[in-house]
Amino acid sequence: NAGVTQTPKFQVLKTGQSMTLQCAQDMNHNSMYWYRQDPGMGLRLIYYSASEGTTDKGEVPNGYNVSRLNKREFSLRLESAAPSQTSVYFCASRRQGESSDTQYFGPGTRLTVL
Amino acid sequence: AQSVTQLGSHVSVSEGALVLLRCNYSSSVPPYLFWYVQYPNQGLQLLLKYTSAATLVKGINGFEAEFKKSETSFHLTKPSAHMSDAAEYFCAVSDQPPGTYKYIFGTGTRLKVLA
Repeated sequence: NAGVTQTPKFQVLKTGQSMTLQCAQDMNHNSMYWYRQDPGMGLRLIYYSASEGTTDKGEVPNGYNVSRLNKREFSLRLESAAPSQTSVYFCASRRQGESSDTQYFGPGTRLTVL
Repeated sequence: AQSVTQLGSHVSVSEGALVLLRCNYSSSVPPYLFWYVQYPNQGLQLLLKYTSAATLVKGINGFEAEFKKSETSFHLTKPSAHMSDAAEYFCAVSDQPPGTYKYIFGTGTRLKVLA
């Protein structure tokens, strides 16, 4: 049981390049989330998927797109990277129907945009 | 709208001293409240959570937190700090079912433990 996995762990992009961050969970969770973490700002929600086939914007969606490929996988795409997107990106998942929700986090992807 | 305020972006304590990390929340509905810990270069790990059961919640690694509705607070405490407690701690609030379960995180408190 690997939990939540993210690839890659590190990435350096040039302004204007595109890339996709991959996230997968093996806990059969319905809900998945993408956050970015910046110093002094905590974690901010980019997009989330309450269930397979649905996605919704979070607090900071501009410049990003997501795909809920199946129940296990939730990818985050940067179409044209900008230096402001330099951040640490975390994926999380949650099982619907628990008496209380708990989000389980992946190890993160450290992205630098030059 | 929900929000979370963590007072003190950096807290230093001596090894063996009391740890107190402050969290105040704002919510128009009964909230769920969480404390997460992040060790360097790692993801977030759940320490404890409040889900409208007991107001005093015990978590892992000797941490506990008390939900005080009158003060809209959910402060994290540990009686005796250990060097291994050095990390960043995040408080978070979520709405209850049938809400969307989106978390709102505080800006974090970095705990330093002095030998």
